[in-house]
Order: sequence, then structure tokens, then C-alpha cells
Amino acid sequence: EAGVTQFPSHSVIEKGQTVTLRCDPISGHDNLYWYRRVMGKEIKFLLHFVKESKQDESGMPNNRFLAERTGGTYSTLKVQPAELEDSGVYFCASSHTGVGYEQFFGPGTRLTVL
Amino acid sequence: KNQVEQSPQSLIILEGKNCTLQCNYTVSPFSNLRWYKQDTGRGPVSLTIMTFSENTKSNGRYTATLDADTKQSSLHITASQLSDSASYICVVSAAAAGNKLTFGGGTRVLVKP
Repeated sequence: EAGVTQFPSHSVIEKGQTVTLRCDPISGHDNLYWYRRVMGKEIKFLLHFVKESKQDESGMPNNRFLAERTGGTYSTLKVQPAELEDSGVYFCASSHTGVGYEQFFGPGTRLTVL
Repeated sequence: KNQVEQSPQSLIILEGKNCTLQCNYTVSPFSNLRWYKQDTGRGPVSLTIMTFSENTKSNGRYTATLDADTKQSSLHITASQLSDSASYICVVSAAAAGNKLTFGGGTRVLVKP
């Protein structure tokens, strides 16, 4: 069974540019989560999809971040325009529905905004 | 505010030795506590998951404990190997929060030969 995949693995952009991160969850997982780790800090929740619906987006930092999951399969996270403080590692995770189900994490996308 | 605190931030141990990592949390209402291992450049991988009623769980050389009364957990690594070098992250899930996870800052373990 393929794991969670993320693309790209690294992205270096200039302040003000747009970047789109992609996450492909494990097939059959209705739940998809985005997390972010900025330098020196703990991993923090961004948002949670159940199928194509946003269940919880309380962790999204501001309206420069837009997440979509059209069709309930893969998800994209767009940052527009990017700021210096957006630099960090963005993780995606997926799981089955139910309390206690393990969340499987992707390898992350390292975003550097110059 | 839900928080997870881990100690130490980092530690160095010799191959073959044991070590114990600590985690304190203030997540409420509590659902479960997980320990993840994160290798450099990889995503976190689950080692153990414990609910309120469980106070110990093992996964090979990894043994996690949970004291729900004091809101503390520990991860014990027995007979460490070089491949145990990684960050170990304590993660707590709040009940009725869509399984949203609160992460600790992690303990970076370096095993030296």
C-alpha cells in the first residue's frame, strides 16, 4: 500500500510569489490533515478535510493560505502571496474515520521564502 | 490552552544504553496520547498510541507509559541502536476535536557508537 505522498519535496520562492503544495493521501482515507512546522517550533495543525469538506480550518494562519480537496482525493495548499514567516515544513497526513485511527504522515514539503 | 511539553530537548546516548523521554500535557478533554518517531527528512511515524485506560504499551524496544492523573507520559528506549537516532514527538489528541493533534516540540536523540 502506497503511503502519503507530497509534492514538491522542497520549494524555494521569493517573497510575494505563489506556491502550491500537493498531498496525495492513502487511498480510501477520508480524513486529510495539513500541518506545519516552522523553524524551532513544534508541528502545528492547519486544517482537516473529511472527504472534500473542510471539517476544521482553525489552524490556518491567515487568508493567504487556501486549501482545497476537490473530489475528496488529493489536496492542495496554496500560499499567495508568500511571506518570509511562511517558511517551514508542511506535512500532510491521512487517516480512516474514527477516534484513535492512526494518522499516516507524508514526508513533508520544505518551503523556503526568501 | 492545549499544550504538550517534552524533556529533554535533546540527548546523546551510547549504543546499547537505555534512555527515557518525558512528556507532560494539558490537553483536555483527553482522547489519546501517541509517540512518534521522526527521522531527518521524513514525516513522523507512529510508535505507540494509548487511551485513557492504558498505562503502558510496548512496540519492540520502545515502551510508553501514561499516567492520566498527573498527565504525564514517558517513552523508554531499551538497548539503543544507531537507527534510533531521530526526533521523538509526544502528541495528544483531544476528544471531540475531530482527532486534531497537539504536538510537543520533540526530543532529539543521538545514539553514538
